[in-house]
Amino acid sequence: DAGITQSPRHKVTETGTPVTLRCHQTENHRYMYWYRQDPGHGLRLIHYSYGVKDTDKGEVSDGYSVSRSKTEDFLLTLESATSSQTSVYFCAISESRTANTEAFFGQGTRLTVV
Amino acid sequence: AQSVSQHNHHVILSEAASLELGCNYSYGGTVNLFWYVQYPGQHLQLLLKYFSGDPLVKGIKGFEAEFIKSKFSFNLRKPSVQWSDTAEYFCAVHRDNAGNMLTFGGGTRLMVKP
Repeated sequence: DAGITQSPRHKVTETGTPVTLRCHQTENHRYMYWYRQDPGHGLRLIHYSYGVKDTDKGEVSDGYSVSRSKTEDFLLTLESATSSQTSVYFCAISESRTANTEAFFGQGTRLTVV
Repeated sequence: AQSVSQHNHHVILSEAASLELGCNYSYGGTVNLFWYVQYPGQHLQLLLKYFSGDPLVKGIKGFEAEFIKSKFSFNLRKPSVQWSDTAEYFCAVHRDNAGNMLTFGGGTRLMVKP
């Protein structure tokens, strides 16, 4: 398995509180991604990063922000958590921009907003 | 509407039955196609991928998929399923003008009865 660690693995938080999820990789891959997984929707891209301090929005970025101060760490922040953000969050990494590069996924973080 | 469609949301099969899971996409131009599997409680793992060449792609654990360009389809098949194939299966598409981002279908949950 690729060296991807997500923390925490499970979290319950209250509506309106900020939450930060961490993705740590040991593969030195340039690209990192945050997806959310919801029944019937598959995985949807929230934000991605193509280098240190270089990030961009994905399909469902509203209510989320990201930061990447080091190659190995990609943080996802829910600025003010809402119940609609209850989901399983997956981090992924890939080596390059080219289309024939495989993406590797972390174990996921199950977030419940009550 | 989703750009990657998996029409079967839930499939129940007995062991040794044949499997075919549908995947259709709605993009023109060059695409790269993937099937990922998620076993219960685990992260996504790559089953197989198509970039170019032979449209019949063989993956791990006896799975294969056929790319039919005229039908915008990339269906997953296995001639004889096992109980251990119980998992959720995701089709994903990478478009040549979309950086290095994958768009996922909604997933198909497969249950194989022993």
